Amino acid sequence: NAGVTQTPKFRVLKTGQSMTLLCAQDMNHEYMYWYRQDPGMGLRLIHYSVGEGTTAKGEVPDGYNVSRLKKQNFLLGLESAAPSQTSVYFCASRRTGATSGANVLTFGAGSRLTVL
Amino acid sequence: AQKITQTQPGMFVQEKEAVTLDCTYDTSDQSYGLFWYKQPSSGEMIFLIYQGSYDEQNATEGRYSLNFQKARKSANLVISASQLGDSAMYFCAMREGRYNPGGKLIFGQGTELSVKP
Repeated sequence: NAGVTQTPKFRVLKTGQSMTLLCAQDMNHEYMYWYRQDPGMGLRLIHYSVGEGTTAKGEVPDGYNVSRLKKQNFLLGLESAAPSQTSVYFCASRRTGATSGANVLTFGAGSRLTVL
Repeated sequence: AQKITQTQPGMFVQEKEAVTLDCTYDTSDQSYGLFWYKQPSSGEMIFLIYQGSYDEQNATEGRYSLNFQKARKSANLVISASQLGDSAMYFCAMREGRYNPGGKLIFGQGTELSVKP
């Protein structure tokens, strides 16, 4: 059971380049999330999805786009990368339900992105 | 305004001693959940413990316990008998119950714990 898999794990971009981060989960979770982690700021939500074909903005969505064409995949795109997007990106997922078990996010290992 | 505040950027504890990591939260919801995650130097996020706002007992998971004081809006993590492997960044997080489509988690800034031998 792989859980949540993020690719790539590391990437260096030049300002203005585009790229896509892929998140794949094999737990049949409905909800998926993209967070970014910056020193001293914890994790901040970029975008999220409550099911296949749906996406919504989080706290810091500017400069990012997402798509959830398949339930198991959640893609995060940077159309024109900026140095301010240098960060560690985490994908997470969870199942629906009111029990405490459903409340727990399962995270991927993270993707470190550097924009020069 | 910060919804989750962790006021200790860094802490040290002697091996085998107990340590408390502080977390205060701000919400007007009656229904919410509080979480603690551990992030070792390898970078992965590891779930430690969960407390629901209606849970009367403090949550415990092995050496981890959550000291939940609802009136003070605090959810401190207590680690008993610290081990070298407890050295990591610790994040407190909250999920509000109402007007929270997708059940999003809000994270605090984190506390870096170092366990000394």
